[in-house]
Amino acid sequence: GAGVSQTPSNKVTEKGKYVELRCDPISGHTALYWYRQSLGQGPEFLIYFQGTGAADDSGLPNDRFFAVRPEGSVSTLKIQRTERGDSAVYLCASSLTPSQGNTEAFFGQGTRLTVV
Amino acid sequence: AQSVTQLGSHVSVSEGALVLLRCNYSSSVPPYLFWYVQYPNQGLQLLLKYTTGATLVKGINGFEAEFKKSETSFHLTKPSAHMSDAAEYFCAVSGHGGATNKLIFGTGTLLAVQP
Repeated sequence: GAGVSQTPSNKVTEKGKYVELRCDPISGHTALYWYRQSLGQGPEFLIYFQGTGAADDSGLPNDRFFAVRPEGSVSTLKIQRTERGDSAVYLCASSLTPSQGNTEAFFGQGTRLTVV
Repeated sequence: AQSVTQLGSHVSVSEGALVLLRCNYSSSVPPYLFWYVQYPNQGLQLLLKYTTGATLVKGINGFEAEFKKSETSFHLTKPSAHMSDAAEYFCAVSGHGGATNKLIFGTGTLLAVQP
């Protein structure tokens, strides 16, 4: 597609439920990032994929959060036993393989997750 | 470790006035620096970036920023504000060398433009 696509755009779930958020990166982009943006804050890094592997998952807040990218394209962020504090906008970004001088990441419009 | 501080969570200017949004960074490695803009209900859009070379960087929509290593700053400016500039602006830093494009963002500055 022309840009990074995230689905759904909005998700309301009950506390304790499991949710999956999907990201379709720009075609040909090997790098994919997940960020979380809470109200009044800047985006916070969660996880970075290079191809199929998670090269950096240091931002995942706890073991309820998990992400996959099995074929090196679409990625799914999975949250188990959701808590009200997980409510935020989840942003996905993609870029070409990071290298010297190649730095631009393109962001999707995000998925707004509300846990009630 | 890297971090970004944006001074002023809300800035209000009159249409036609100078826009100045402040950003200071901390980085243990030479930084790449970015400004992103976020319009309501839209994704983040890159305004401009500094990687290497010229320290004055020009971006889209008439914005520019200057990398000042001695001041660890990367302030965003625009000579004359338009109503359409009203949005939230984020400064971000990533590591030099290209191992990852992971971004560390500031908390954002909401720019209001008064007629």
